[in-house]
Amino acid sequence: GESVGLHLPTLSVQEGDNSIINCAYSNSASDYFIWYKQESGKGPQFIIDIRSNMDKRQGQRVTVLLNKTVKHLSLQIAATQPGDSAVYFCAEMGGNNRLAFGKGNQVVVIP
Amino acid sequence: KAGVTQTPRYLIKTRGQQVTLSCSPISGHRSVSWYQQTPGQGLQFLFEYFSETQRNKGNFPGRFSGRQFSNSRSEMNVSTLELGDSALYLCASIPGGQGLSGANVLTFGAGSRLTVL
Repeated sequence: GESVGLHLPTLSVQEGDNSIINCAYSNSASDYFIWYKQESGKGPQFIIDIRSNMDKRQGQRVTVLLNKTVKHLSLQIAATQPGDSAVYFCAEMGGNNRLAFGKGNQVVVIP
Repeated sequence: KAGVTQTPRYLIKTRGQQVTLSCSPISGHRSVSWYQQTPGQGLQFLFEYFSETQRNKGNFPGRFSGRQFSNSRSEMNVSTLELGDSALYLCASIPGGQGLSGANVLTFGAGSRLTVL
């Protein structure tokens, strides 16, 4: 498969443990945030989103936390599985209806 | 429902050549966006088309262009290729004219991997 991010921060996590991936965004006017997962050889896949009027949103095994004060977004993955190994991107959207992506974090799940 | 389809998946070109990449959005989706992905710069927005009109444009030189057809299929073209154009080019679609939201999330294709020699 293709290597998407050759020099990305890498989080190594034991299978079954929880993972936390952090993201700092730049635009205080951004009002919509998304986490994407990209596996080798594939395009980014939507995981979960959150609007700026919320500070927490939960999905299946994933939780997104938003701290607007410090412009910080995090993705928590519960009970990490081998299939969670991928590059994770946060993205922010302001008034121009254009998504700006972070550089990404590589997650490696150790069986 | 078929996903976003991009062709070709892989291609190799030499400097100075031009390339055309194709994207078929999800059936019924009218907006198509293009992104360039490189290890150094990450995902960068190229442009967005809606109803055959460019609605949004990123900060790329004029060598990068695109268009959308009446069936919502889109193409992007890069002329006078440079080594730095080597990248994964991703296409994404959303249903329609409204902004991104939980019901209107970008769905990406697998990308076209361009290598410029």
